[in-house]
Formats: sequence, structure tokens, C-alpha cells
Amino acid sequence: QSVLTQPPSVSGAPGQRVTISCTGSSSNIGAGYAVHWYQQLPGTAPKLLIYGDSNRPSGVPDRVSASRSGTSASLAITGLQAEDEADYYCQSYDSSLSGGVFGTGTKVTVL
Amino acid sequence: QVQLQESGPGLVKPSETLSLTCAVSRYSITSGYYWSWIRQPPGRGLEWIGNIYHTGTTYYNPSLKSRVTISVDTSKNQFSLKLKSVTAADTAVFYCARGVTWGTARGSFDYWGQGTLVTVSS
Repeated sequence: QSVLTQPPSVSGAPGQRVTISCTGSSSNIGAGYAVHWYQQLPGTAPKLLIYGDSNRPSGVPDRVSASRSGTSASLAITGLQAEDEADYYCQSYDSSLSGGVFGTGTKVTVL
Repeated sequence: QVQLQESGPGLVKPSETLSLTCAVSRYSITSGYYWSWIRQPPGRGLEWIGNIYHTGTTYYNPSLKSRVTISVDTSKNQFSLKLKSVTAADTAVFYCARGVTWGTARGSFDYWGQGTLVTVSS
């Protein structure tokens, strides 16, 4: 029962820029809780891609970036590559759940 | 590198109890993180099930709270999930993960197990 809403899919040609939105509410993103992003390649476990709104773990390229504003957040991938084709999920904390909440997920397709 | 590994039956009958264990290696389960279960029905998104701290304190998703128990065994460096009265709707890949408790990464899941598919069927 996701309470963070993402577009089901986005696509772009190699080298282009794509963005993924994540819309929450006053009990999660709007309350100031950090937003994190995960990449899930087919058949594998999710991998932490962005933590604390805009920070990249070691090994994540700087063509991946993220930001937040109000009750929303967004992930951007520039210089799109075939290896970026995956599902992407945002995640935050929700005070009404007293726990984590994930976005609905977005499939990125490289044309 | 922290490693998590889920184990348990891949097939559970309706109305029975699903039981999974997550073995943690290369990190002590008593050191400053929390430990979580997350599931993903086939072709669908991720759902947080619950967290446990090494002290035994737990937090559960309200939608599953009446059926879920998460426990920890610090002597074996592992934690477990029990989900009772399962139905076909509980069929999913179940992941265990480590949750960060401090700093800018607080609330994120930085290490995940590979996941295990549990099918509920008679």
C-alpha cells in the first residue's frame, strides 16, 4: 500500500536525461523525512542509489542526482546508458506507519 | 562487506504460517542498525513489513501487524519473520535488509539479501 507516487514508466534515448518524480504527503516527505532512492535491476535485489535526499553512495556515478521540494522529490539520470534500464523506487519514513514507505516504482527504458 | 542471506520454505499452504530467517555475516547484529523485512509480490512494488532492533524492539506495518512477528537471535547473528494465516496474496519475494539509524542515511536500507520467493498455494 504505497503512499509515495511515482510515474509507472519513463524512457529516453542513450545520452539523454530522464527524471522520475516521487510525490508524498505531510506525514512523510512533507514532514521533512529524508528521501532515498533504489535501483532494481531485473531479477536482483534493490540497491541503494541515493540516500539522504541527494547523496550518492560510493560507486554511484555523478550522472545520477536527486533533489526534494515540499512534499515531492525527484531523481535525475543524465547521459542515459543501457545499463540504467531498471526499476527505480523512492523511499522515506512515514509517521502514520511508524516505518518505511516505498514509492510505486518507475521502470526506466532506454530506447 | 555486510552480507544478508534469507532462508526458509519456498512453498507454504494457505492459512499456515510463513517462517523465514535472515543470517547476517561480516557484521554484528548488535551494532547500531535495525534489521528489516521487505516484500515484493511478483511484478509489483516493494512493501515494508517491519523492523527490529537488537534490543528486540519492533515496528510493524499496520496493514500486517496482526499477522507478523519479527524476532532476533543475537547469539546466532540472525533475525526471523513469521507471517501467520497466509493467503495467495502473500506470495512474494521476501527480502531482509539493514536499516540505517543515524546521519543523512537514516531510514535507508543500505544492505539487502538476495531475496527468497515464497509461494502460497495448496
